[in-house]
Amino acid sequence: DTGVSQNPRHKITKRGQNVTFRCDPISEHNRLYWYRQTLGQGPEFLTYFQNEAQLEKSRLLSDRFSAERPKGSFSTLEIQRTEQGDSAMYLCASSPRATSAEAFFGQGTRLTVV
Amino acid sequence: AQSVTQLGSHVSVSEGALVLLRCNYSSSVPPYLFWYVQYPNQGLQLLLKYTTGATLVKGINGFEAEFKKSETSFHLTKPSAHMSDAAEYFCAVSSGGGADGLTFGKGTHLIIQP
Repeated sequence: DTGVSQNPRHKITKRGQNVTFRCDPISEHNRLYWYRQTLGQGPEFLTYFQNEAQLEKSRLLSDRFSAERPKGSFSTLEIQRTEQGDSAMYLCASSPRATSAEAFFGQGTRLTVV
Repeated sequence: AQSVTQLGSHVSVSEGALVLLRCNYSSSVPPYLFWYVQYPNQGLQLLLKYTTGATLVKGINGFEAEFKKSETSFHLTKPSAHMSDAAEYFCAVSSGGGADGLTFGKGTHLIIQP
């Protein structure tokens, strides 16, 4: 068990470009979450997968954002036509099936849009 | 809807002194409560959690927290601060169902004075 892995750790992109982040959860964790954290704020929930099904999306997830979790394993978060306001830390977390289980977080991908 | 309020964006204590970080929550259902710690440019690490049962919960690194339903509080304490405790601390609430993820407070930056 190597923990939740996120790649890349850092991404700098020009405004208008598309970016994709990857998250590899802890094996056998069927729940996967994406959060966004801006400077000086706590993480904000973006979306939730149970296995391969995306069951919940925050209103923060505009139509420029899309997330997938094919085969219920790794997940990707894509941002199209990036804007400067998208600059943030994007955190992935996974948890096992039990409803009381805590979420285990990856180290995050820091996105800077210039 | 759920919310978390962390009183004090910055808390400064002397090494060896008591640490008290305050957290109040709002939840329409019995809450699950968590404290996470975040070091610079890192993901979040769980310190402790309350789900059901004993209202005083002990976590890692000597931290503990007490769930007080009447006060809707879940304050984090540590009897004696260590320099390595300097970090950002986040209180979070969940309904336990999993689909809505965690709702975080804005965080408290703990500064340890030598």
